[in-house]
Amino acid sequence: GAVVSQHPSWVICKSGTSVKIECRSLDFQATTMFWYRQFPKQSLMLMATSNEGSKATYEQGVEKDKFLINHASLTLSTLTVTSAHPEDSSFYICSARTLGGSGDEQFFGPGTRLTVL
Amino acid sequence: KNQVEQSPQSLIILEGKNCTLQCNYTVSPFSNLRWYKQDTGRGPVSLTIMTFSENTKSNGRYTATLDADTKQSSLHITASQLSDSASYICVVSAGRGTDKLIFGTGTRLQVFP
Repeated sequence: GAVVSQHPSWVICKSGTSVKIECRSLDFQATTMFWYRQFPKQSLMLMATSNEGSKATYEQGVEKDKFLINHASLTLSTLTVTSAHPEDSSFYICSARTLGGSGDEQFFGPGTRLTVL
Repeated sequence: KNQVEQSPQSLIILEGKNCTLQCNYTVSPFSNLRWYKQDTGRGPVSLTIMTFSENTKSNGRYTATLDADTKQSSLHITASQLSDSASYICVVSAGRGTDKLIFGTGTRLQVFP
């Protein structure tokens, strides 16, 4: 089946630093990748939709200058949390849509736990 | 407003017992409904996907049902195992050909020996 990986699986950083999270589709090409954030005991919240070779579309309330998304290839998207603060601590999950799929099939990565001190 | 509600919020059962999780949705237009299993600290894994015309779908010990008229779905787990302990999330896709997923808040299932 389609496999999506994320790196790193967890990261701890100091307030004010930037953190980059990678999302890769390992055995398929993904024209579209999605970034979600999940706080404890809450459901996934879509942050942005990333299309290969174009600018990401951000959901309302998500700062595009703080959460930089790059989708440079059909197998890789990156999320950079700039000038991270403790309130950015969360579980970040990406998903990828298969090329040529129905548009409804998304495969999720294992997530990245970000802790900002 | 598109919404997906799940019940119960949490559930504790003994190993070997069956259980049923509920999902009610108000999503329009409706494309499909999925059930995911999410282990703690992991990403969601798909269990079943059902379109408007499908009433039931099974995946091993997991059986999902869909009533598109009442906009309700259920996930039945038979002969539960300790490894079934996880959060189960009901997700509805809003509209054909769109990537918009509406997530429920999940049911936290704990299976004890």
